[in-house]
Amino acid sequence: AQTVTQSQPEMSVQEAETVTLSCTYDTSESDYYLFWYKQPPSRQMILVIRQEAYKQQNATENRFSVNFQKAAKSFSLKISDSQLGDAAMYFCAYRKSGGGNKLTFGTGTQLKVEL
Amino acid sequence: GAVVSQHPSRVICKSGTSVKIECRSLDFQATTMFWYRQFPKQSLMLMATSNEGSKATYEQGVEKDKFLINHASLTLSTLTVTSAHPEDSSFYICSAHKGGGDRVPNYGYTFGSGTRLTVV
Repeated sequence: AQTVTQSQPEMSVQEAETVTLSCTYDTSESDYYLFWYKQPPSRQMILVIRQEAYKQQNATENRFSVNFQKAAKSFSLKISDSQLGDAAMYFCAYRKSGGGNKLTFGTGTQLKVEL
Repeated sequence: GAVVSQHPSRVICKSGTSVKIECRSLDFQATTMFWYRQFPKQSLMLMATSNEGSKATYEQGVEKDKFLINHASLTLSTLTVTSAHPEDSSFYICSAHKGGGDRVPNYGYTFGSGTRLTVV
């Protein structure tokens, strides 16, 4: 079974600084997808970024980027120029390739952004 | 983009009654719907997966007779909590899959805004 591990229950960052959230996963599949979701206090799940395992290039979305290390099964999220609106719970998620397959979520990291 | 509407956003019910939660895909056809449960400050736990027109597949430990899932159309899935008890109080979230395969542009899993259920 696939597992996703987030070892940082809480993280803090100063506004405008950079923070990295860690995620590791375990799978025997070779083709899969990895995601970072943001859940603000409204509890609406928002997709931040996604990475296809078959792509070597790390995904980027504006201030958000990932460090995908397939051999190490590591998938960290870097948030640059942190903003107050980035404060939320962040979940790392895994899904094996194939439409309709379920997402497996990590336990989450609560990110606080301080002035 | 893909939008999923989930209703109600909050519901309070008496112990022993049933509650229905609806999840609608507004601008796409959802071939698969997922239902999650989330306790405070915890992760999303998958309860069941439903495909249009077929019976839902429940995760281990989830009572299928208590959490009834219906996915009768490509745009609507419902979760009914039957004979609710206080321990069923939780946050329930649906997620709809557009279908078409992973490589189709704009494929994805879109989440509803969630339903906070309180059983008193």
